[in-house]
Amino acid sequence: QSALTQPVSMSGSPGQSITISCTGTSSDVGHYKYVSWYQQHPDKAPKLLIYDVDKRPSGVSTRFSGSKSGNTASLTISGLQAEDEADYYCCSYARDVTWVFGGGTKLTVL
Amino acid sequence: EVQLVESGGGLVQPGGSLRLSCIVSGFTFSSYWMHWVRQAPGKGLVWVSRTNIDGSNTNYADSVKGRFTISRDNAKNTLYLQMNSLRVEDTAVYYCVRQVAASSTEFDYWGQGTLVTVSS
Repeated sequence: QSALTQPVSMSGSPGQSITISCTGTSSDVGHYKYVSWYQQHPDKAPKLLIYDVDKRPSGVSTRFSGSKSGNTASLTISGLQAEDEADYYCCSYARDVTWVFGGGTKLTVL
Repeated sequence: EVQLVESGGGLVQPGGSLRLSCIVSGFTFSSYWMHWVRQAPGKGLVWVSRTNIDGSNTNYADSVKGRFTISRDNAKNTLYLQMNSLRVEDTAVYYCVRQVAASSTEFDYWGQGTLVTVSS
C-alpha cells in the first residue's frame, strides 16, 4: 500500500494548461480503471473532480480532464484560473478492497 | 442537503484509545459504503478504512490493521472509528467519507474532519 507518486509542486500562468501525473503500479493504477482526482483548498475538505479515470461529475468544469496510460494517470487543467490554486490528489482502487492516494501536488497559479 | 459531521477527536497519549463518530444526514445512510480517510498536518490524504452497507464487511490500511475498527449504526445514522494502541504517527485530521455507490470507487461527500493528536 505505497502511496502513488505525484510531483510535489507545479505552477502555471493564467490561461495555460498543466498536466499532473500520478504513477502507481500494476496492482492499482495499472490494473483498474478506477482512478479519481480530488482538489483541496487550504483548510477545506477535498472535492471530487474526476472518477473512473476520465469521467467528470456534474458541476465540475470541463477544464478538468483525466487520462491513463499503463501505470500512470494524469489530470489536465486547461485555461488555468486563479481559483485552481490548490492541492490535487489522485486516488486508485487497489487489490483486496483497499484504496491508495497519491502524495499530492501543490499547484500555484502565477 | 448531505452532511457528515465528525466528532471525538482530541489529545491522547501514545498507547491510548479514542473513538471517532460521524453523524450523517441528508441521505439514506444504510445504502452507502463509508470510509475514513486521514491527513497528517501539512501532509497528504491517506485512506484508512471502509465498511459496507451493514458493517459485515470491512477493510483496513496495513498501517492501522489490528489497531483500528470501523463500525456503523444505521439506526443512528452514525459511522464510528475505534482507535486503539495509538501512535504519534496517527496524528491527523480524520475525515468521514461517503463512497458514491457500491459499484463505484470514488468519494463524493466528505466531512470537515476531526483532529486527533497523539502526544505525550
